[in-house]
Amino acid sequence: GQNIDQPTEMTATEGAIVQINCTYQTSGFNGLFWYQQHAGEAPTFLSYNVLDGLEEKGRFSSFLSRSKGYSYLLLKELQMKDSASYLCAVRAPDTGGFKTIFGAGTRLFVKA
Amino acid sequence: DGGITQSPKYLFRKEGQNVTLSCEQNLNHDAMYWYRQDPGQGLRLIYYSQIVNDFQKGDIAEGYSVSREKKESFPLTVTSAQKNPTAFYLCASIPRGPGGELFFGEGSRLTVL
Repeated sequence: GQNIDQPTEMTATEGAIVQINCTYQTSGFNGLFWYQQHAGEAPTFLSYNVLDGLEEKGRFSSFLSRSKGYSYLLLKELQMKDSASYLCAVRAPDTGGFKTIFGAGTRLFVKA
Repeated sequence: DGGITQSPKYLFRKEGQNVTLSCEQNLNHDAMYWYRQDPGQGLRLIYYSQIVNDFQKGDIAEGYSVSREKKESFPLTVTSAQKNPTAFYLCASIPRGPGGELFFGEGSRLTVL
């Protein structure tokens, strides 16, 4: 089966660093994605990992270990506007092509 | 500018009525997807299409139907057979192939009274 797990909620302080973990079990793997979603809005793309290791993009970094089925999203220098849901997603082959499977999301609260 | 347009943004319907949500893209993407999101939940795949005149069921296809007559368009019909249709519906597209991130429309919020 296909399964993506991530914590339901996290709270962190403005200016701090937070790490959001994601574990996955999928039939096939063509990349792992992190999206940010503010309430009532569509998700926006943050990062993409297809090979093991760390990808850095400004205040956001994402790590992947394919052998462990594990990824994390690291947010540095947290700002109040980072309060949002963070969705871990895996792209995998399917009978009809490729599909992207999402975890339930981690709701991050940034407090002053 | 290129993008994905979903309409309507908000929709209210009575129970037992069929509803069609529009999704149009001008990104020249081959693959298009429909997801459903319930409050506090992630995205669940309803249907997807890799090419014109072909589509595949996702994880929660029951009570929904789609068509793909044109590359740019992938409308979703929520039928009366869908037991709990009130949700946020997201359409997305991507170039055909294994990689790449999804491009999302702004979503359609359906409320069934």
